[in-house]
Amino acid sequence: ETGVTQTPRHLVMGMTNKKSLKCEQHLGHNAMYWYKQSAKKPLELMFVYSLEERVENNSVPSRFSPECPNSSHLFLHLHTLQPEDSALYLCASSQRESSYNEQFFGPGTRLTVL
Amino acid sequence: AQTVTQSQPEMSVQEAETVTLSCTYDTSESDYYLFWYKQPPSRQMILVIRQEAYKQQNATENRFSVNFQKAAKSFSLKISDSQLGDAAMYFCAYRSAWSTGNQFYFGTGTSLTVIP
Repeated sequence: ETGVTQTPRHLVMGMTNKKSLKCEQHLGHNAMYWYKQSAKKPLELMFVYSLEERVENNSVPSRFSPECPNSSHLFLHLHTLQPEDSALYLCASSQRESSYNEQFFGPGTRLTVL
Repeated sequence: AQTVTQSQPEMSVQEAETVTLSCTYDTSESDYYLFWYKQPPSRQMILVIRQEAYKQQNATENRFSVNFQKAAKSFSLKISDSQLGDAAMYFCAYRSAWSTGNQFYFGTGTSLTVIP
């Protein structure tokens, strides 16, 4: 499998559930990202893992918890979410030392919180 | 923080015609990168074209080209000979050349419809 993969592609959960989103990149990159994509809003960067360093957007609620066990895998743990957290969650990866450092995206997980 | 503005939420173009999508950005930096990404319906976001700020020559990739006006902080995308497969959301993005967090700033997107 090539590129950036995400599972599951669709997820419906209640506000009291705990779930995790998974991302895997097969590109040998050393940086991975979580974005939230909501309609008519810019993509919102949630977390960056780069060379074992984590950078986070301070506006992201603590009910979202990332985990990056190695450079190829990235998780987003979800607990006690709110309906307004329903969105498309995109994972991306990049090679930090490349000149453009362009990001390669996964297909996303469509999350619905009931 | 840098901001990226796409003032056209929706655009349409006749098949085989040319369309231009606009993007402006706000930055005080002199060195940065600009990108256009395409997100087809229910499909993966992919890179269409990219531009380095210190290169004066506009980038071109087959039917896709940009008009980069650094002084005006404008980075428009021109799609020539539009095809049905060009229908998608298009996002403009900015990245600082000095960003230690590798942060990209995206616009709100332009939804492009191609009319047969």
